[in-house]
Amino acid sequence: EAGVAQSPRYKIIEKRQSVAFWCNPISGHATLYWYQQILGQGPKLLIQFQNNGVVDDSQLPKDRFSAERLKGVDSTLKIQPAKLEDSAVYLCASSHPGRSKWQFFGPGTRLTVL
Amino acid sequence: AQKITQTQPGMFVQEKEAVTLDCTYDTSDQSYGLFWYKQPSSGEMIFLIYQGSYDEQNATEGRYSLNFQKARKSANLVISASQLGDSAMYFCAMEGSTNAGKSTFGDGTTLTVKP
Repeated sequence: EAGVAQSPRYKIIEKRQSVAFWCNPISGHATLYWYQQILGQGPKLLIQFQNNGVVDDSQLPKDRFSAERLKGVDSTLKIQPAKLEDSAVYLCASSHPGRSKWQFFGPGTRLTVL
Repeated sequence: AQKITQTQPGMFVQEKEAVTLDCTYDTSDQSYGLFWYKQPSSGEMIFLIYQGSYDEQNATEGRYSLNFQKARKSANLVISASQLGDSAMYFCAMEGSTNAGKSTFGDGTTLTVKP
């Protein structure tokens, strides 16, 4: 079974530029999560999808961040415009509550904003 | 609202000894799940163990066990016979039942196993 795929693995941009991250969850996993992990901290949930509907996006800075999960499969997270404080690792995870309750994580995208 | 608290920023343990990593949680949900994940320096997040709020037995997975005390809202991870490869960051997390389950992580504990 293929794992959660994310791209790119690394991205360096200047502040005020835009950036997009892509995630392809494990096949059949209905729930998809995007987390922001700042160095030395735990992952902070940005948005959680159940199929292509949003379960929770209360911590997503909606003035600059957006995410979509078209057709309930892969997902894109966008930042526009980026700020210095957005430098972090962006983790995507997926889960299938009916089969296993835990989350399978992708390798993450390390974003550096200069 | 959900909250996970891990009060130990760093822990040291001698190889082959057991260690307990603390986790307390707060939630208004009646049904929830508790999880522990390991994050080595390479960055990948690895699932270790799961405990459901209605599970009567404490969860065990190999050298990992979860000391679940519901009344105290604690879900401590016990690692027995520590190995050098256990050195990593450990995160406690929970997922509630409302809103189809919002996921919340603690800030983690860095475990260092000494030879």
